[in-house]
Amino acid sequence: KAGVTQTPRYLIKTRGQQVTLSCSPISGHRSVSWYQQTPGQGLQFLFEYFSETQRNKGNFPGRFSGRQFSNSRSEMNVSTLELGDSALYLCASSWTSGGAHAEQYFGPGTRLTVT
Amino acid sequence: GNSVTQMEGPVTLSEEAFLTINCTYTATGYPSLFWYVQYPGEGLQLLLKATKADDKGSNKGFEATYRKETTSFHLEKGSVQVSDSAVYFCAFQETSGSRLTFGEGTQLTVNP
Repeated sequence: KAGVTQTPRYLIKTRGQQVTLSCSPISGHRSVSWYQQTPGQGLQFLFEYFSETQRNKGNFPGRFSGRQFSNSRSEMNVSTLELGDSALYLCASSWTSGGAHAEQYFGPGTRLTVT
Repeated sequence: GNSVTQMEGPVTLSEEAFLTINCTYTATGYPSLFWYVQYPGEGLQLLLKATKADDKGSNKGFEATYRKETTSFHLEKGSVQVSDSAVYFCAFQETSGSRLTFGEGTQLTVNP
C-alpha cells in the first residue's frame, strides 16, 4: 500500500505570494492533518479534516487554510506569505479521527522557503 | 494546558549502549501515546504506540510503557545501532480527533 504523498517536495516563494500544498493520504484513510515544523517552534498542529469537514484547528492565523476533497485528498493554502512561514509542512493521514485506531502516518513533507 | 516534555538532547552514545529518552505529558482524560522518529530530510515515521495505561508499545527493539501514575512514556532500547541515529519525538493524541501534541524532539547520535 502506498504511503502518504505530498507535492511539491520543495518550493521557493516570495513574501506576499500565496502557495498551495497537496497531500494524498494512504488509501482508505479518511482523516488528514497538517503540521508545521520549524527549528524554533518544533511541530505544531495546523488543522485536521475528516470526511471533507474541518474537525480541529490549531492556533494559526487565518492566512492558513485547508480543504479536503471527496477522495480524501487534501490541500492547504497559505496566503500573503511571510518570512516566518518558511518551514517543513507535514501531512499525516489516519483511518479515522480519534479513538484507538487513529494513529497518524506522515508524508515526506513539503519544504517551503519564503524569500 | 496540554503538553509533552522530552529529555533534553542531544544524546550521543556508542554502538550497543543502552538508550533511555524520557517523556512526560500533561493532558486531560486518557490520551494515546506515541513515539515517532525522523531521519534527516524525511517525514516522521511511527515507531510505537500505546493506547491505555500499562500498555507496552514495542518495535525494532524499542519499547515504551504507558505509565498513567507518573504520566510518562519513556523510550528504551537495550543495544543501539549506528542506524538508530535520528531525532525522536514523543507525542500524545486525545481521544477526540487525531491532533497530535509533540515534544521538542531528542537528537540521538550513535557512534561506531
